[in-house]
This record gives sequence, C-alpha cells and structure tokens, in this order.
Amino acid sequence: GNSVTQMEGPVTLSEEAFLTINCTYTATGYPSLFWYVQYPGEGLQLLLKATKADDKGSNKGFEATYRKETTSFHLEKGSVQVSDSAVYFCALSNSGYSTLTFGKGTMLLVSP
Amino acid sequence: NAGVTQTPKFQVLKTGQSMTLQCAQDMNHEYMSWYRQDPGMGLRLIHYSVGAGITDQGEVPNGYNVSRSTTEDFPLRLLSAAPSQTSVYFCATLPRGGGYGYTFGSGTRLTVV
Repeated sequence: GNSVTQMEGPVTLSEEAFLTINCTYTATGYPSLFWYVQYPGEGLQLLLKATKADDKGSNKGFEATYRKETTSFHLEKGSVQVSDSAVYFCALSNSGYSTLTFGKGTMLLVSP
Repeated sequence: NAGVTQTPKFQVLKTGQSMTLQCAQDMNHEYMSWYRQDPGMGLRLIHYSVGAGITDQGEVPNGYNVSRSTTEDFPLRLLSAAPSQTSVYFCATLPRGGGYGYTFGSGTRLTVV
C-alpha cells in the first residue's frame, strides 16, 4: 500500500535560516505528490504539488522536486520567516486523485 | 464563494451518543472525503465519495457512516460515540481531474467524554 514518511519535528530555526523537511514515499505506479501547510487552529492548505518525475513544485518561496529514483519530495525554503511557523504535511495521491495518503506532519517553529 | 463549510466547529459528546458532522461545498467538486487528525498520526482517511450515490471506506471507517445523496453534502455520522473518536475531523473536496488539489474545511474538534 501507499505510505509517506517525513522527518519528525519540531524543527526549530531562526529567521532567515535555510529549511529542509525530508519526505519519502512508497506507492504503486506514478503518484502525484503534495505539500500541505496547517497554521494553528486552521485547516490544511495546499502549498505545492508535482505530478511527475523531475517536476518542481513551488509557491511562496518553498520548493520541492519529485525524485522518482530516490522516492523523495523534500521541501526547501532558502530563508524562513516567523510567519512560516506551522505544521507541514507531505502527501501522495494516485487512483485518479480520489484519496490522499499523508505523512505524520512536521512542526516548524521559526524564532525572530 | 464559501468553499467547504464544516459544522459544528466544536462539539462535546457523552460516550454512546450519536451525532452528525456536516460538510457542504459549493464548488461542484466530484470527490469528497473525511479525515481525522490525531497527534502524531497525521491525517487518516475515514470515508470518501467519488460522486453522488457512491461512497467507500478509507483506512479507519469503523464507528462511522456516510452517505452522499447530493453533490454538495457529505455528512459523517457517529453511531455511538467512544472516547477513541476524540479528534479533529476534516472534510476535503476535489474536482474531477484533480485541478489544483484538495480543498479542506476548517475542521470540527470533537471531544467524547
């Protein structure tokens, strides 16, 4: 079956530091990959996605590249801000997008 | 445009009580699904629907029922609440073809005592 493994948090960084949150997956076929973000007290918002190998998703300074050879989709940002503090979820979907399989989430805490 | 609306936002139930969590969408999305979020567990799929009249079980369906009589609504029923069902519940929708991905509601925080 499908599974997503992401690094445990919390990840604690100072403002303007470089961010990497690792995500690897197991899936049949060729899944689509996603990063979702959840701010405190809110629902999940799609941050970025990639639908095929070597695709790079990007949004709000965040990037992730679909690496089929390493089954990975690591999230990166060059310079984090306090406002980026949130929980980040890696997820995958196949079977025509009808369901998502999530990782357990990684909390990011950015201090001034 | 309201998107995905979940009600109620908060609920406290006694063990054995039943209730329905409501999810309504105005985006004409084909796919709808229910997830529960528990600390350290991420989000787990309870039930999902690929269109009106069609539902299927997800990873953790026990203790929950769903129906999809219209495109807009996808209620989640707890038949006899148990403390293990204390969680935050999210409804999510997706257009046919995937679009830009799922749209999530703001969640229902349920406590069973």
